[in-house]
Amino acid sequence: KAGVTQTPRYLIKTRGQQVTLSCSPISGHRSVSWYQQTPGQGLQFLFEYFSETQRNKGNFPGRFSGRQFSNSRSEMNVSTLELGDSALYLCASSFGLATYTDTQYFGPGTRLTVL
Amino acid sequence: TQLLEQSPQFLSIQEGENLTVYCNSSSVFSSLQWYRQEPGEGPVLLVTVVTGGEVKKLKRLTFQFGDARKDSSLHITAAQPGDTGLYLCAGDTGTASKLTFGTGTRLQVTL
Repeated sequence: KAGVTQTPRYLIKTRGQQVTLSCSPISGHRSVSWYQQTPGQGLQFLFEYFSETQRNKGNFPGRFSGRQFSNSRSEMNVSTLELGDSALYLCASSFGLATYTDTQYFGPGTRLTVL
Repeated sequence: TQLLEQSPQFLSIQEGENLTVYCNSSSVFSSLQWYRQEPGEGPVLLVTVVTGGEVKKLKRLTFQFGDARKDSSLHITAAQPGDTGLYLCAGDTGTASKLTFGTGTRLQVTL
């Protein structure tokens, strides 16, 4: 079974630009969660989608948004990029809503650098 | 606000040594998970503990959930270079289906 895939793996943008990251979950998984990982703040939850609906959202500004398609693939968008948005963005998929009963499988992440 | 504090932050030991990583919180969690993350990869789930006082063993790794479900520990016996990585604990409060991750412990095991 193929794992979670994320594209692109690396991205360099400049301040003020916007970016779209893509995540393809494991086949059959309906839940996709997004996390931001930085050296200073660690791994922080962005949002979770299940069956095309956002179910949970972390404490991030509205510049961070996402969506999920009918095939469970998900995208996240960051508008008006700031230097502090430089991070590893991780996507995780699970069969159901991400609780302790449902193992989350993480992708390798997209490394975003904002100059 | 970081709810889960891990200690130590960094650990460099030699092959064969034992070590313990701690994950502490003032909050009660319905479950707690431990992950290991290697460079260039996403975290991989090692174990989930659910019951207060629960102990789980995974080969040379022993995980314990505190009686009050506020803390957990990971003990590695006879560490090997393959154990090198970033160890993360993550708690599930059960009220919202998302995980709160700890600050992380970076372990390096040398020959």
